[in-house]
Amino acid sequence: GNSVTQMEGPVTLSEEAFLTINCTYTATGYPSLFWYVQYPGEGLQLLLKATKADDKGSNKGFEATYRKETTSFHLEKGSVQVSDSAVYFCALSDPRTGANNLFFGTGTRLTVIP
Amino acid sequence: SAVISQKPSRDICQRGTSLTIQCQVDSQVTMMFWYRQQPGQSLTLIATANQGSEATYESGFVIDKFPISRPNLTFSTLTVSNMSPEDSSIYLCSVRVAGLTGELFFGEGSRLTVL
Repeated sequence: GNSVTQMEGPVTLSEEAFLTINCTYTATGYPSLFWYVQYPGEGLQLLLKATKADDKGSNKGFEATYRKETTSFHLEKGSVQVSDSAVYFCALSDPRTGANNLFFGTGTRLTVIP
Repeated sequence: SAVISQKPSRDICQRGTSLTIQCQVDSQVTMMFWYRQQPGQSLTLIATANQGSEATYESGFVIDKFPISRPNLTFSTLTVSNMSPEDSSIYLCSVRVAGLTGELFFGEGSRLTVL
């Protein structure tokens, strides 16, 4: 079946530090992969996505590369800011198996301190 | 993309009562879903809201507890029935937009606290 395993948090970093949040997946087909972000008190927002192997999604300085050989989609940012403090969710969609919804990881809470 | 309005944004409810959450989308979407996010946890799909017919529920969720309506392409409601403290969660409406590859758009959620 489909599942997402995400790095457990919480993660606390100083401003301008490098961020990596690990995400690996299991899928029966060829999934699309996503990172969502949830800022305090808000709903989920799509941060970036990749739809096929070796694609790199990027947005707001965040990047993630779809690695089929390692079934991974790790989120990275070179220099985090206080405003990046949020919960980050890795997710996959595998419509070819007939599943129309997204499968989410457990979320990783990031706190960036000045 | 899609702009999703959910209401209420939050509520405090008494045990045994029911509450209906509304979800309105500003454009026609192909699919609508309802998710639950329990405190400190990830999202769990409750059901797919089907236009003009009964919703499709995931394992562990039943219509009597979570009745769902979707009278047209842009509106859906979720009712949480006979609430208990274990139902305290954020409930999120989500939509899929035609032409976009797989991603879902989410409302801001409805935070329910059951006393």
